Amino acid sequence: AQSVTQLGSHVSVSEGALVLLRCNYSSSVPPYLFWYVQYPNQGLQLLLKYTSAATLVKGINGFEAEFKKSETSFHLTKPSAHMSDAAEYFCAVRLMVGGKLIFGQGTELSVKP
Amino acid sequence: GAVVSQHPSRVICKSGTSVKIECRSLDFQATTMFWYRQFPKQSLMLMATSNEGSKATYEQGVEKDKFLINHASLTLSTLTVTSAHPEDSSFYICSASHQGLEAYEQYFGPGTRLTVT
Repeated sequence: AQSVTQLGSHVSVSEGALVLLRCNYSSSVPPYLFWYVQYPNQGLQLLLKYTSAATLVKGINGFEAEFKKSETSFHLTKPSAHMSDAAEYFCAVRLMVGGKLIFGQGTELSVKP
Repeated sequence: GAVVSQHPSRVICKSGTSVKIECRSLDFQATTMFWYRQFPKQSLMLMATSNEGSKATYEQGVEKDKFLINHASLTLSTLTVTSAHPEDSSFYICSASHQGLEAYEQYFGPGTRLTVT
C-alpha cells in the first residue's frame, strides 16, 4: 500500500534561514508527488509537483523539491525563509492519473523574526 | 489557472438539521470531484470521490446516508450533511480534476467551516 510520511509535525526556522521539510513515500511504482501549502482556514495551494520528468522540481514562492528514488524521498526546501512562509505544508502521493491523493500528516512551519 | 469555489465558506447550524455545501469549478469542467474532511491540526481525510453523472464512491467508514454527495454537472458537486450533530463540525474541502494534460492534478476549493450547535 502506498503511504506518505512527513518527519516532524512542527518545524521552526528563523527568517532568512534554510527551510527543509521532509517527506518520504512508499510505493511499488513510480508515483506522482506533490507539495501543498495551507494557510489558516483556507484550502490547499499547490507548491510543486513531480510527474516523472526532472527530479529537481521548482515551484512557486522560491520552493523546490528533489525526487530521490533511492531514498524514496521528496523533501521540500527553500534557501531563505520569509515570514509569509509560515503555514501548514502537506506532502501527497498519487499513484496514477485520476487516482486518489494520499496526504502526509502535515508539517507546521513557523518563521521567527 | 483552474479555480474551485465553495459556498458557503462558513456555516453554523443546529443539531438535527441538514446543511448543503456547494463546490464549483469556475473555469473548467470537472470530471471528478473529491470531498475531504479536516479536523483541527490534522491532515485531510478523503471522504468520497464523485464522477459526473455517477454515484459517489465513499471511503471506508464514511456514512453515505449521512454525507450525501451529488455531482449532477461538470461544474458542480454538492455535499449534504444530513441530521447534523456536533461531532460533524469540521472543515470540509472539495477538490476537482479533469481529463487532459494536467489530469494528475487536483484543484482545491477554499474550504467550508461547519459548526453544529
